[in-house]
Amino acid sequence: AQSVSQHNHHVILSEAASLELGCNYSYGGTVNLFWYVQYPGQHLQLLLKYFSGDPLVKGIKGFEAEFIKSKFSFNLRKPSVQWSDTAEYFCAVTLYSSASKIIFGSGTRLSIRP
Amino acid sequence: DAGVTQSPTHLIKTRGQQVTLRCSPKSGHDTVSWYQQALGQGPQFIFQYYEEEERQRGNFPDRFSGHQFPNYSSELNVNALLLGDSALYLCASSLGPGQAEAFFGQGTRLTVV
Repeated sequence: AQSVSQHNHHVILSEAASLELGCNYSYGGTVNLFWYVQYPGQHLQLLLKYFSGDPLVKGIKGFEAEFIKSKFSFNLRKPSVQWSDTAEYFCAVTLYSSASKIIFGSGTRLSIRP
Repeated sequence: DAGVTQSPTHLIKTRGQQVTLRCSPKSGHDTVSWYQQALGQGPQFIFQYYEEEERQRGNFPDRFSGHQFPNYSSELNVNALLLGDSALYLCASSLGPGQAEAFFGQGTRLTVV
């Protein structure tokens, strides 16, 4: 079955540190890739998405992600985090053949020390 | 422009009871999907409704059923509640069933005791 793996359950960083959250998926066909963020008490929001084209995708709030097809990876990065980035981050994938169903990873909780 | 709204926000039910959760999609959206998010886990797809029919279903038992109304709003029904059904239930809407980009509501927190 298709799945999404997020390597880090909980990441703790200081402000201004660089961030990289890992994400791998298991599916050999065409996929759409997403990162969602869930701030405390708020709904899931789309950070960025990859459908096709340039594998380096830029999203909101200075986040970016790189799709590496050969590694089935879609890691999320930010060069300098802020306290307001404290949230839960979910990597997700939809299959081209079944674009309705979003398959989520288990999430990474990011805590930023002021 | 209203986003996805869900009601109620919190709910406590007893084992064996039945529950109905409600969702109004984002304005202009005609497709509604439901997800279950257990504590510490990512959301899991339950099913999707489009044109008042269930179009796709995840790996959930028949105790989970739904409905979509002509105004595109939707209900999720869960019968014979189990303790393991305690979770955050998320509704997502999109423009068309094949559209991968979805907008999520804040969810309904269901606690089964």
